[in-house]
Amino acid sequence: GIQVEQSPPDLILQEGANSTLRCNFSDSVNNLQWFHQNPWGQLINLFYIPSGTKQNGRLSATTVATERYSLLYISSSQTTDSGVYFCAVGSSNYKLTFGKGTLLTVNP
Amino acid sequence: SQTIHQWPATLVQPVGSPLSLECTVEGTSNPNLYWYRQAAGRGLQLLFYSVGIGQISSEVPQNLSASRPQDRQFILSSKKLLLSDSGFYLCAWSGQYREEYFGEGSWLTVV
Repeated sequence: GIQVEQSPPDLILQEGANSTLRCNFSDSVNNLQWFHQNPWGQLINLFYIPSGTKQNGRLSATTVATERYSLLYISSSQTTDSGVYFCAVGSSNYKLTFGKGTLLTVNP
Repeated sequence: SQTIHQWPATLVQPVGSPLSLECTVEGTSNPNLYWYRQAAGRGLQLLFYSVGIGQISSEVPQNLSASRPQDRQFILSSKKLLLSDSGFYLCAWSGQYREEYFGEGSWLTVV
């Protein structure tokens, strides 16, 4: 099956800093999504981005499908950005394979 | 707008007892439905998915089963829980645009 590697595994920032999270995958995909899991366990869909670039407020994501990676950018980080960020990929219509996530801690 | 709910939110069950977790989606029809488990260490493991009523695909052989008795209802069950079944269980749905949306999750502790 597809392998998904996320880096870094842990990241600590001061409020206001910028960060880049990376997701590498081992095979061609036609589905790639980024999620944020808050400290209470709720998983929120951030982006559906199998290719190209999208932006939503302080967050943006870029996927270069031909080189098998995706990047999630967080600008001007806030304490509410803390949590685990997951990348998930799929090559069929129904199933996603999740990476192990990046644990982000934003300190005030 | 679409919403997804799952319950119960938390439960503590003795080894050998049965389990039933329920998930319901509102505001859409014929969704794809999923059950995931998240153990300590963060990774999400896909347990079951369903593309229609009565259609269940199992990803991991284990002590659990799933059923989809109605279009927007997905149930995770076990006849006899094991200690290793403890974890955080998440239900999700996706539609024609393939984005997955998750429920609030259910914390299961088997004692």
